[in-house]
Amino acid sequence: DTGVSQDPRHKITKRGQNVTFRCDPISEHNRLYWYRQTLGQGPEFLTYFQNEAQLEKSRLLSDRFSAERPKGSFSTLEIQRTEQGDSAMYLCASSPRVGEYYNEQFFGPGTRLTVL
Amino acid sequence: AQKVTQAQTEISVVEKEDVTLDCVYETRDTTYYLFWYKQPPSGELVFLIRRNSFDEQNEISGRYSWNFQKSTSSFNFTITASQVVDSAVYFCALSEAHRGTDKLIFGTGTRLQVFP
Repeated sequence: DTGVSQDPRHKITKRGQNVTFRCDPISEHNRLYWYRQTLGQGPEFLTYFQNEAQLEKSRLLSDRFSAERPKGSFSTLEIQRTEQGDSAMYLCASSPRVGEYYNEQFFGPGTRLTVL
Repeated sequence: AQKVTQAQTEISVVEKEDVTLDCVYETRDTTYYLFWYKQPPSGELVFLIRRNSFDEQNEISGRYSWNFQKSTSSFNFTITASQVVDSAVYFCALSEAHRGTDKLIFGTGTRLQVFP
């Protein structure tokens, strides 16, 4: 049984470069979420998908951020023109939400981004 | 507005002591869910418990217990006979799932250190 996986686990980049992260959810989960966690803080919601549809985006998600889930399976999060303030842990989670029945979210190990 | 407050930034105990982690939440909704997650040094968030707003019964799972009180908007977590392996950051989270979004709103976390 595999949980949520994320790749890469660590990314160091120079300011101004573009980066892309990948998340593979648990296979039967139709909802996928992205969160960002900075040092000493709790995770903050960025966006989520139900299947391939992006249903909500946080105001934290500036125009430099874009997320996709093209076939309703894995998802990518791209950050363009990275800034030092983008340095954080990017967490992906998935859940098997069905209708109004709520299920907990299962988190991946995260991708730690460092922008120099 | 939704908010989760974990006033205790860090707690240190000696093994076998009992410890309670406080969580206070704010929401205008009558239907919501509360969660506790554990984030060990490895970084991956581990789901511990979910409660819905209609179920105020306390819950016990091994050495863990949770006290949900709507009257005080609190959802506290107690570890009995703490162990070194309990050392981690613990997050309380809120979701107003009935609005069609189930994003999690996290507190800032409480770092628990258990010394042998």
